[in-house]
Amino acid sequence: DAGVIQSPRHEVTEMGQEVTLRCKPISGHDYLFWYRQTMMRGLELLIYFNNNVPIDDSGMPEDRFSAKMPNASFSTLKIQPSEPRDSAVYFCASSPREETTRETQYFGPGTRLLVL
Amino acid sequence: QKEVEQDPGPLSVPEGAIVSLNCTYSNSAFQYFMWYRQYSRKGPELLMYTYSSGNKEDGRFTAQVDKSSKYISLFIRDSQPSDSATYLCAMSATRNTDKLIFGTGTRLQVFP
Repeated sequence: DAGVIQSPRHEVTEMGQEVTLRCKPISGHDYLFWYRQTMMRGLELLIYFNNNVPIDDSGMPEDRFSAKMPNASFSTLKIQPSEPRDSAVYFCASSPREETTRETQYFGPGTRLLVL
Repeated sequence: QKEVEQDPGPLSVPEGAIVSLNCTYSNSAFQYFMWYRQYSRKGPELLMYTYSSGNKEDGRFTAQVDKSSKYISLFIRDSQPSDSATYLCAMSATRNTDKLIFGTGTRLQVFP
C-alpha cells in the first residue's frame, strides 16, 4: 500500500493568496484527519471526517480555513486568504473502520507551508 | 495550562545509553496512551500503545503509565543512532482514537 499521500509537499505563497492542500487516504480507511504542526503548539487536530462526513471541526482556527471530502479517496484543506501565521506543516492521517484496528492513525508525509 | 506537557529537549545521548522520555497530563479521563516517533521531515508513526496503568514492552522499547500521577514514560534501551527522532506522546479518553491529544514532542539525538 502506498500509504497516505499528500500534495504538494512544499508550498510557498504570499499573504492573501488561496492555498489548497490535498490528501489521499489509505484505501479502505473510513476516518480522515487534518492536523497542523508548529514548534510552539505541537500537533493540533483541525478537523476529522468519518465516511466523508465532517464530525468535529472545532480545531479549525477560523473561517479562513475550510475542508472537504467529496469522496472516500480525496480530501482538501483550503486556506483563503492565507496569512504568515498559517505557516506550519499540515498532516493528513487516516484510520480504519474496525474498532480492533483503529488503535492508530496513519500519517502522510505532510505539506510544509510558508506564507510570506 | 496545556492538557499534555512534554519537554521539547533536545536530548542528546551516546549510543548504548538508556533513554527516558516523559509526558504529564491533566485530564484524568485519558485512558489510552500512545507514543509516536517522527523522523525529520516525515509524518509521525505509532511506536507504542498502552491502555490504563502498567508497563508494556516491545523489543528495546518500554512504555509505562502511572495514572495516579498522570505521568507516562517511554524507555529506550541500548539506544541507536537510528533512534534519533522526535518522540510525541498522545492520549485519548476513548478507545476509538478519533480525538488524540498530542504532546509537543521531545527531540532525541543519539550520537555514535
